[in-house]
Amino acid sequence: EDQVTQSPEALRLQEGESSSLNCSYTVSGLRGLFWYRQDPGKGPEFLFTLYSAGEEKEKERLKATLTKKESFLHITAPKPEDSATYLCAVQAAGNKLTFGGGTRVLVKP
Amino acid sequence: DTGVSQNPRHKITKRGQNVTFRCDPISEHNRLYWYRQTLGQGPEFLTYFQNEAQLEKSRLLSDRFSAERPKGSFSTLEIQRTEQGDSAMYLCASSQRANTGELFFGEGSRLTVL
Repeated sequence: EDQVTQSPEALRLQEGESSSLNCSYTVSGLRGLFWYRQDPGKGPEFLFTLYSAGEEKEKERLKATLTKKESFLHITAPKPEDSATYLCAVQAAGNKLTFGGGTRVLVKP
Repeated sequence: DTGVSQNPRHKITKRGQNVTFRCDPISEHNRLYWYRQTLGQGPEFLTYFQNEAQLEKSRLLSDRFSAERPKGSFSTLEIQRTEQGDSAMYLCASSQRANTGELFFGEGSRLTVL
């Protein structure tokens, strides 16, 4: 069965303090790995798709990378508005996504 | 607003009652998904529709749960004989492309079973 583990569970950062979130996965036949952002009381919002090891995607202060066993979401010089829960998900067979438990990020000014 | 719309946003019910949630996807999206999310956890897949056909259903989905998508437009998720363990956020998402993980989620319907 597909498994996704995210670490740390929570991260407190000072504004401008760069850090990385980890997503480890076990899946038979990865078709794609996805990062989402979720604000409190809202549905997840799509950020990135990664398909193969070595691939990187960037959006503003966020950069996602992928290896054969894990993905990282790097947050460079974060701002308070980057505070959210970041979710990682994998897709193997079928149309379902298997999500990790998320990393709650709090960026203090 | 042309995003995914879910109603009601909040529902409080007593154990044993039936509840129904509605999802209106983005109009040009023919794929629709239901997920469930409990506090501090990631979303968990429930079911998937392509147009009006329910093509995938989680093994975790008990017989008390049923979903429909008549005419391939809006969808409903009904939970019969609710239990306290059904308390969660029920998320609907839609997509336009096949085999994609780029989903557009609604804001969810929060269920509290007393």
